Amino acid sequence: QQQVKQSPQSLIVQKGGISIINCAYENTAFDYFPWYQQFPGKGPALLIAIRPDVSEKKEGRFTISFNKSAKQFSLHIMDSQPGDSATYFCAASTIYNQGGKLIFGQGTELSVKP
Amino acid sequence: DTEVTQTPKHLVMGMTNKKSLKCEQHMGHRAMYWYKQKAKKPPELMFVYSYEKLSINESVPSRFSPECPNSSLLNLHLHALQPEDSALYLCASSRGLAGEAYEQYFGPGTRLTVT
Repeated sequence: QQQVKQSPQSLIVQKGGISIINCAYENTAFDYFPWYQQFPGKGPALLIAIRPDVSEKKEGRFTISFNKSAKQFSLHIMDSQPGDSATYFCAASTIYNQGGKLIFGQGTELSVKP
Repeated sequence: DTEVTQTPKHLVMGMTNKKSLKCEQHMGHRAMYWYKQKAKKPPELMFVYSYEKLSINESVPSRFSPECPNSSLLNLHLHALQPEDSALYLCASSRGLAGEAYEQYFGPGTRLTVT
């Protein structure tokens, strides 16, 4: 019940296209859903995060969509660029109800072709 | 300054060696973390320190020994490691362990190879 399932494992998108990565969870106590971006040889960097009382959050070209009833959330990257090529991890935690650790999805390797 | 620094960047050690990894942050954060990351896998939590006290140990083998000398510094002491311990070791920090304070900032990691 602590798992976060992420798909797809890898994704190839043309420059200018929309990249979509999906995550699903079971634990309804999760109350914090961040997305991390990791370039090769670097540490993960927080990209955007959402709480379950919000259905969508947008920051620049990055949007999180959240469906509480379906227990799913997704990352949309609009106008994808080659510089977006990285591994993306979704995560979930119970930070507001109780201090909890980040439960990561397995990651999606995104490649944006010029 | 939103940077977490880690040294060294790369480390090669034999199974009988003793070495240490160092992590530093000057953001005034009071929680610090060690993660281990294998290739093409998500980070795995190892230890959490809160206000310089060990808060979480994720059943990590005793050959890994964390230390938090002060609120800005986190060390990971390594002894008698196995080849399967080769990985990227990531340090992270956050203002706290709950609520809005939980946003974690990661360092670039130390690439460890055990021979």
